[in-house]
Amino acid sequence: DTAVSQTPKYLVTQMGNDKSIKCEQNLGHDTMYWYKQDSKKFLKIMFSYNNKELIINETVPNRFSPKSPDKAHLNLHINSLELGDSAVYFCASSPRPPINQPQHFGDGTRLSIL
Amino acid sequence: GENVEQHPSTLSVQEGDSAVIKCTYSDSASNYFPWYKQELGKGPQLIIDIRSNVGEKKDQRIAVTLNKTAKHFSLHITETQPEDSAVYFCAARNRGSTLGRLYFGRGTQLTVWP
Repeated sequence: DTAVSQTPKYLVTQMGNDKSIKCEQNLGHDTMYWYKQDSKKFLKIMFSYNNKELIINETVPNRFSPKSPDKAHLNLHINSLELGDSAVYFCASSPRPPINQPQHFGDGTRLSIL
Repeated sequence: GENVEQHPSTLSVQEGDSAVIKCTYSDSASNYFPWYKQELGKGPQLIIDIRSNVGEKKDQRIAVTLNKTAKHFSLHITETQPEDSAVYFCAARNRGSTLGRLYFGRGTQLTVWP
């Protein structure tokens, strides 16, 4: 069973469109994250949610809106897509700290803006 | 906040040789240091982690060392194999970090030549 699953795996769309990426984890974790990985492989945190509550918003444009319907799901909606949004987006989850346990990552959604 | 630097950015070794990747961190309160391996088209996967109460940890061909005084930690891979080729990330988390936030290095592309 996949622990952290994201859909879709690939997303190709036109500039200006609105799209959503979904993430689900079956690990029973309380905390979920969204990361953006650029072409140079740098992993940049975007958001963190704990039990449906937004905890980290790392100066991400407000075109990006995360939504957590329950603690097992964290979706990412992006409005008015721009060329610079092309990247791989990773969802991750971890148990609630202070337990020092690793984050578990999904396999990513490759977003390409035409 | 924490700042994690990782070197080298690329590393090429011959099969059977050893590979060493080094990271430094800035926040002396950091107490958890995971290493992730990212294969092509996949998400980062934890390969080994170390907590600040130990100086070294080993798992088969992989070992991690931690020097708290100097604020650096290293990943050692012995007897490298072509399937070790991937991007490797180090990370650090401190006791006060917002709900388990990890600070990542910029990654090392390891290539193992047969």
